[in-house]
Amino acid sequence: GQQLNQSPQSMFIQEGEDVSMNCTSSSIFNTWLWYKQDPGEGPVLLIALYKAGELTSNGRLTAQFGITRKDSFLNISASIPSDVGIYFCAGLYKGGSEKLVFGKGTKLTVNP
Amino acid sequence: DGGITQSPKYLFRKEGQNVTLSCEQNLNHDAMYWYRQDPGQGLRLIYYSQIVNDFQKGDIAEGYSVSREKKESFPLTVTSAQKNPTAFYLCASSILPPPAYNEQFFGPGTRLTVL
Repeated sequence: GQQLNQSPQSMFIQEGEDVSMNCTSSSIFNTWLWYKQDPGEGPVLLIALYKAGELTSNGRLTAQFGITRKDSFLNISASIPSDVGIYFCAGLYKGGSEKLVFGKGTKLTVNP
Repeated sequence: DGGITQSPKYLFRKEGQNVTLSCEQNLNHDAMYWYRQDPGQGLRLIYYSQIVNDFQKGDIAEGYSVSREKKESFPLTVTSAQKNPTAFYLCASSILPPPAYNEQFFGPGTRLTVL
């Protein structure tokens, strides 16, 4: 099946720093979604992207749908301790069914 | 408040027993999904349903069964045929038609431990 390569696997940063993570694939995607998961909880949808080149913000979070349609990026500015968690990308690829494909996640740790 | 509920939060079962996980949503969403999550892994789709009385297998359906008798309910049964059932199970739902249907909203999850 289709795969999403999400990187980095983990990040350790200081409070106040900016964070960047990305997802890439060899396939073309029509939709990109970014989720955050706290330990022991379900993922929460952060941002949805539907057009190539689209740049969407949600507070301190900004995500972009890559021009090639094969990648997406999530940036977090001025990180705070509550940003800790696992961030997942998910995508719906061109020619596929309505099933989403998920990356393996980026685990973010923020040191106060 | 609208949302997705899963119960129980923690479930323990003996090997060889079937167990049913509950998922209910009051969002009036047409589509519902079951995922399995293992440590350090992404979510893997078990089953999904786009309409009442209809459902399709996902990528790892073996050893699982579902039913969709009501729009708001999509229970998952983990059978004794599932070789490695200990995992975190997540239920999700989404609106149809596209493009909004791609936005899946998740419940809080059920952690199943088979002893």
